[in-house]
Amino acid sequence: GNSVTQMEGPVTLSEEAFLTINCTYTATGYPSLFWYVQYPGEGLQLLLKATKADDKGSNKGFEATYRKETTSFHLEKGSVQVSDSAVYFCALPSGAGSYQLTFGKGTKLSVIP
Amino acid sequence: EPEVTQTPSHQVTQMGQEVILRCVPISNHLYFYWYRQILGQKVEFLVSFYNNKISEKSEIFDDQFSVERPDGSNFTLKIRSTKLEDSAMYFCASSPLRGGDTQYFGPGTRLTVL
Repeated sequence: GNSVTQMEGPVTLSEEAFLTINCTYTATGYPSLFWYVQYPGEGLQLLLKATKADDKGSNKGFEATYRKETTSFHLEKGSVQVSDSAVYFCALPSGAGSYQLTFGKGTKLSVIP
Repeated sequence: EPEVTQTPSHQVTQMGQEVILRCVPISNHLYFYWYRQILGQKVEFLVSFYNNKISEKSEIFDDQFSVERPDGSNFTLKIRSTKLEDSAMYFCASSPLRGGDTQYFGPGTRLTVL
């Protein structure tokens, strides 16, 4: 089935620093790709998604581009804030016609003032 | 904006007891899911449900687990005889369309088995 490999953390950045969290995938075909975020003590929230190759998903200053050449979907933000401190998960459907999402292990981001 | 809701937010139970976790998916969604996250670990798929039957389930979803949509709004996960290793955060999710489409997650129920 499909899988993701996600950069493991934790990642600690100063406020206003540039963020990259790497995610690479192995998939049959070109499934949708997702980034979910989990703030402390909360559930999973969809951060952004891309549904086909070369698509760029964006939300709240975060961006990720679906790159089929490198099978990657790296998450980036130009200037992080303390409020971005959370765990970030890369995800994709586990296979063609599958209903389940397969998640990466998550990357914990801490942003310090 | 419509949300998936889950109750209770935290459930404590004794090993061997039955628990029912409740979810109210987004009202016009057709596909429903349960996932779990053991503390500090990755989110794992348990089961998906469509048209009043299970569409897919993982190896975690054994005979101790069952799901039900008892009415037009609720979606429940039952664990018949809880084990210590069932302690986890359980997330319900729903989506309007089948696999590949966005799944919207609830806030989770933290289950603690003593």
